[in-house]
Order: sequence, then structure tokens, then C-alpha cells
Amino acid sequence: ETGVTQTPRHLVMGMTNKKSLKCEQHLGHNAMYWYKQSAKKPLELMFVYNFKEQTENNSVPSRFSPECPNSSHLFLHLHTLQPEDSALYLCASSQDLATSSGANVLTFGAGSRLTVL
Amino acid sequence: AQSVAQPEDQVNVAEGNPLTVKCTYSVSGNPYLFWYVQYPNRGLQFLLKYITGDNLVKGSYGFEAEFNKSQTSFHLKKPSALVSDSALYFCAVRDLLSGNTPLVFGKGTRLSVIA
Repeated sequence: ETGVTQTPRHLVMGMTNKKSLKCEQHLGHNAMYWYKQSAKKPLELMFVYNFKEQTENNSVPSRFSPECPNSSHLFLHLHTLQPEDSALYLCASSQDLATSSGANVLTFGAGSRLTVL
Repeated sequence: AQSVAQPEDQVNVAEGNPLTVKCTYSVSGNPYLFWYVQYPNRGLQFLLKYITGDNLVKGSYGFEAEFNKSQTSFHLKKPSALVSDSALYFCAVRDLLSGNTPLVFGKGTRLSVIA
């Protein structure tokens, strides 16, 4: 594995359910990210956390709620989702959000495949 | 604003032949450019990046990419393709003038290497 672990790997939920995705990194990184991956579309950045503080919310609907209790853990809480929210949700981390070179490499988890019925 | 385009959804190549996966970008300033690869049921893995210096960048698994400022391109290449190279490839860009803006990814190009 890459050092970024995501659970569960697969999740099927109804539109009225509440569930959470979990991400954990053991790399000592300070920045963590949630991306949405849909077929034949660019990766969509959803949320960014730097030192546990949210620095970016990319116009994500409120039915997605992130939580970052510490620099190693990131959650995505899901509530009243729609079928179009079905996708692969990727967590990533990087050493810093931006350095003087700006060339941070992202380390990704394997993703959580979400299906909304 | 920064953006990246991968004009091909799918690239097919015979094993042993050279491969090219295309990427063009748009930034206001100078770009940082990246290639990532995604194998089935895996997350994205970093392949290589261009920051500054030599326009030809060498990365993992024998891949390389050439930065061409006049054509605003950063095509990924490999001299001899392997079946194991079959995967989804993503180009990404970050503008040096963008402050803390994270990477912008393309939609990906699926590479199929046929034995």
C-alpha cells in the first residue's frame, strides 16, 4: 500500500442513509485532500485541509461533510446522497499544501467506490 | 486560471512499440506539470514532474515527458510499451502564480498495450 489507507473500499447506500468514508495517512504529511473520480471526467477536487484546517471547499453540496480531527485522519460524512454521487472517492496527502517550489507530490489512497441506490 | 487537456480518451499500442499520451495545458504564469498513473483498483501513483531546467524529464517505469513551452504541451512517452503499462494516465498542472491553489487534473487517457 501507498501509506494512505481508505475504508471502506466499497460502499452501497440508499439515498436516506448516513455513512462515512475514512482516510488515514502514515506519512507525516500536513495536507489532506478529497477528490471525486467519475468516468471520463477530470478529477474533481472537493476539499483540502492543511494542518487540520479546511483551506478549500470546491463548491461541494452540503450533503458531503468533511472532518479532519488531526493531520493523519480525514473523514467524509455522507447524508441524503443522490444517485449521481456514485463515484470513486479518492483521498490524498502531501507534505505541505504549498512550498516555495509549489511542486508537492500527492500520495493517493486506493479509493472508496460509492454506489448510491 | 489553470487548465489541462488530454485530447484522447483511449490510446492503443502494440507491445514493444513506442507510446505517446498527449497533454496540453493553460496557465497564466509558468507551469508545474505532473503525470500520474492509475492501475485497476488502485489510487493514482506519481510518475514524473517538470519544475524547471531540462525540458526532458525522466520518471518511473521508463517513462519520460517533454515540456514544450511554445506548444504548451507535456506529452508522456515511452520507447517500448509493455502490457503492464496498461492503465489510466492523468496529466496535472499547477500555475506558479496561483498561490495555494492545488493541482488541476485532466480527465485521463486509458492506455491499452496489446501483446
